Amino acid sequence: QVQLQESGPGLVKPSETLSLTCTVSGGSVSSGSYYWSWIRQPPGKGLEWIGYIYYSGSTNYNPSLKSRVTISVDMSKNQFSLKLSSVTAADTAVYYCARDRGASGYWYFDLWGRGTLVTVSS
Amino acid sequence: QSALTQPASVSGSPGQSITISCTGTSSDVGSYNLVSWYQQHPGKAPKLMIYEGSKRPSGVSNRFSGSKSGNTASLTISGLQAEDEADYYCCSYAGSPTPPVVFGGGTKLTVL
Repeated sequence: QVQLQESGPGLVKPSETLSLTCTVSGGSVSSGSYYWSWIRQPPGKGLEWIGYIYYSGSTNYNPSLKSRVTISVDMSKNQFSLKLSSVTAADTAVYYCARDRGASGYWYFDLWGRGTLVTVSS
Repeated sequence: QSALTQPASVSGSPGQSITISCTGTSSDVGSYNLVSWYQQHPGKAPKLMIYEGSKRPSGVSNRFSGSKSGNTASLTISGLQAEDEADYYCCSYAGSPTPPVVFGGGTKLTVL
């Protein structure tokens, strides 16, 4: 079965760049049926969609984060990645990668990684 | 787009039914039958419970059902069980421009 697993540093200093990778196992990131999304959840708060990438490399970002976000895909490693620049304490959150049926017009997240907590602190 | 509006909390006793509302606008919930619902237990990732307004993924109990009226979507859980205690989030397609999806603020379900 398809599984997603986030990886990356759990602690990032203010003003630096947060970098996370999501590894897709049991399936292929090059499937044309899915977008591959990043979603975050600050401690004790709700979910916020960050953005997605399609296997072709096309991306779509939340306007509230667009100036700081880059999502990329590496089909050779079956991974997609998130970079968030100039982080502040407000970026402290659990970051999830998720499979998004939006590419097929259905717009729901049917598979999630376990999430990884990233804390922004000096 | 603004977040969808959900009640902060709902509660019910085992065996009862509860409904969680999710209010959007004519630009999201009201325009598309593309609302999804997610269950999240503490420290766990969200789990898809309902998609396209009323469809259940394989393996999700038929005690969970979804519906929509106007700009408000609803999740109903019948025959409440202790394991249903969790946070629930709605999500709707919002068309363009971005973001294409918006989430609700979440509802804490307490099983008394």
